[in-house]
Amino acid sequence: DIQMTQSPSSLSASVGDRVTITCQASQDISNYLNWYQQKPGKAPKLLIYDASNLETGVPSRFSGSGSGTDFTFTISSLQPEDIATYYCQQYDNQFTFGPGTKVDIK
Amino acid sequence: QVQLVESGGGLVKPGGSLRLSCAASGFTFSDYYMSWIRQAPGKGLEWVSYISSSGSTIYYADSVKGRFTISRDNAKNSLYLQMNSLRAEDTAVYYCARDRLRRGSPRGMDVWGQGTTVTVSS
Repeated sequence: DIQMTQSPSSLSASVGDRVTITCQASQDISNYLNWYQQKPGKAPKLLIYDASNLETGVPSRFSGSGSGTDFTFTISSLQPEDIATYYCQQYDNQFTFGPGTKVDIK
Repeated sequence: QVQLVESGGGLVKPGGSLRLSCAASGFTFSDYYMSWIRQAPGKGLEWVSYISSSGSTIYYADSVKGRFTISRDNAKNSLYLQMNSLRAEDTAVYYCARDRLRRGSPRGMDVWGQGTTVTVSS
């Protein structure tokens, strides 16, 4: 089974700050990685697929990079509506989610 | 519009059974892999199972293998999850979700339902 880790588990940042979340896979997953945003009480929303491709309709301040075992998710300028928990998810071998990163406004 | 609506959640005693349903609309259901994902209270997302468009390929998370059965009825545009031998740790919101690739191998989820709550407690 492929295990996914994320760091940090939570962060607080100011509006306009650049926010970076990392995700690591326990083995090489090429670019088979998605990023989701989940707001409280809501279903998750796909933001990034294939590690670096922006889903249609998602603001360009969101981006992703990486391949192999190490991946990065970035919000270039944090907005109040970005308060949420962010999850990475691998699909190289079935599906596994990372534990999530909770993002708050400082 | 593309929509997934789950139903069938509720309160069940440990060892009991429950069947979840997911009604799909607004897209060609039979073209897509479908998944169940759950989220325990205050916890992260856990993938439970997925099924291929034809129903011929099925995988389960180890935590539910042998107890849960995923199925689909393409004529009824519906996805199901039969849950047996339920445990307290199965308590969660259960989401059904559509794969983001039409007629492809499973790549993750681009459309999600609103979720249905399952509570396992005596």
